[in-house]
Amino acid sequence: GAVVSQHPSRVICKSGTSVKIECRSLDFQATTMFWYRQFPKQSLMLMATSNEGSKATYEQGVEKDKFLINHASLTLSTLTVTSAHPEDSSFYICSARDPASGGAWDTQYFGPGTRLTVL
Amino acid sequence: RKEVEQDPGPFNVPEGATVAFNCTYSNSASQSFFWYRQDCRKEPKLLMSVYSSGNEDGRFTAQLNRASQYISLLIRDSKLSDSATYLCVVNRNTGGFKTIFGAGTRLFVKA
Repeated sequence: GAVVSQHPSRVICKSGTSVKIECRSLDFQATTMFWYRQFPKQSLMLMATSNEGSKATYEQGVEKDKFLINHASLTLSTLTVTSAHPEDSSFYICSARDPASGGAWDTQYFGPGTRLTVL
Repeated sequence: RKEVEQDPGPFNVPEGATVAFNCTYSNSASQSFFWYRQDCRKEPKLLMSVYSSGNEDGRFTAQLNRASQYISLLIRDSKLSDSATYLCVVNRNTGGFKTIFGAGTRLFVKA
């Protein structure tokens, strides 16, 4: 099946620094990618929808100036957590829709996730 | 009320048992339905799509009742390797494509 990669898989940083996470679709072109965050023992929460060539759409309560999303190509979306704080520590997962199926039954493929720890 | 509701469990069952998970969704505009499996500290992986006609994949059977907005997953002859969190997932395309995740049901299968 389709593969989505994420890099880095794990990052530990000091409070106040910025962290960039990359999400790549390896064998298909994804016009839309999604960024999720998952806190321990909780479900995935959609943060934003990343659209190639246009601005990302953020969910309510997600600060667009703090979580910068760039979808520069059909295979790459990046999420930058700016001025990270300990409360931003979480598991960040991206996904990409494989448009091969078409419509609402498109399969979403998830990246392996990035575990961010902010000290 | 959450848009996709699941029994959080955990379900503790012995090997060989049959276990059923339920899920309800509140938005009648929901279009497609899935069960995903998520292992601890890993990303979700698609287990199966759920159709109104029902579908079966080996030991796994999924059912969808659009009238009652209810989705189920049945696992027969549980294996130790089935231990995971099972996520009920719904797609809708109202005001843009969106995927909604249930909080997941935790399953422990014990020898």
